Amino acid sequence: AQSVAQPEDQVNVAEGNPLTVKCTYSVSGNPYLFWYVQYPNRGLQFLLKYITGDNLVKGSYGFEAEFNKSQTSFHLKKPSALVSDSALYFCAVRVSGYSSASKIIFGSGTRLSIRP
Amino acid sequence: GAVVSQHPSWVICKSGTSVKIECRSLDFQATTMFWYRQFPKQSLMLMATSNEGSKATYEQGVEKDKFLINHASLTLSTLTVTSAHPEDSSFYICSARETSGRGQTQYFGPGTRLLVL
Repeated sequence: AQSVAQPEDQVNVAEGNPLTVKCTYSVSGNPYLFWYVQYPNRGLQFLLKYITGDNLVKGSYGFEAEFNKSQTSFHLKKPSALVSDSALYFCAVRVSGYSSASKIIFGSGTRLSIRP
Repeated sequence: GAVVSQHPSWVICKSGTSVKIECRSLDFQATTMFWYRQFPKQSLMLMATSNEGSKATYEQGVEKDKFLINHASLTLSTLTVTSAHPEDSSFYICSARETSGRGQTQYFGPGTRLLVL
């Protein structure tokens, strides 16, 4: 079955330190991978995506993610965390659906907490 | 970036009534729109995929007669929760994928919080 997993429910980091939010995937064929962020009582905001090309993808708000095919991972990273980065982060993968239509499925989410 | 709006942002209704939620792509055309629901502290679960001009495709376990989806134009999809019950209370989020394709990105609306009393 095609799926995406986020092994950590919560990640705690001190402001100014680097952060990593983990994601692994299981898909058939080439993966289309995404990261989204959700602030309280808000919808999802797109951060970045990997379709093809460079394994290191740069996105919004200083975030980046590294695609690792051998480890089937797509971890989200940021060199220096800000308190305002505190939010719920979702990794997602595009999978094939009915009648060849594709759809995005989400991981369980990781709550990132940045302490001052 | 592309903008997706939802209306209303929140709604409270009595049990047994029907509620309609609108999803609009404001600056792009969307052949395909998606409806998700999110329970507190949980991930988004895809309910259905709607394609403009055709019937929606529902995920396993989602009642199509209860959650009516209409995608009448390239910029509007609606979700109607019929005969709503308290267990339908949730955060409903729509998503739209641009027809011309900006690298297969889906853009999400801000969500609609439904509370059924």
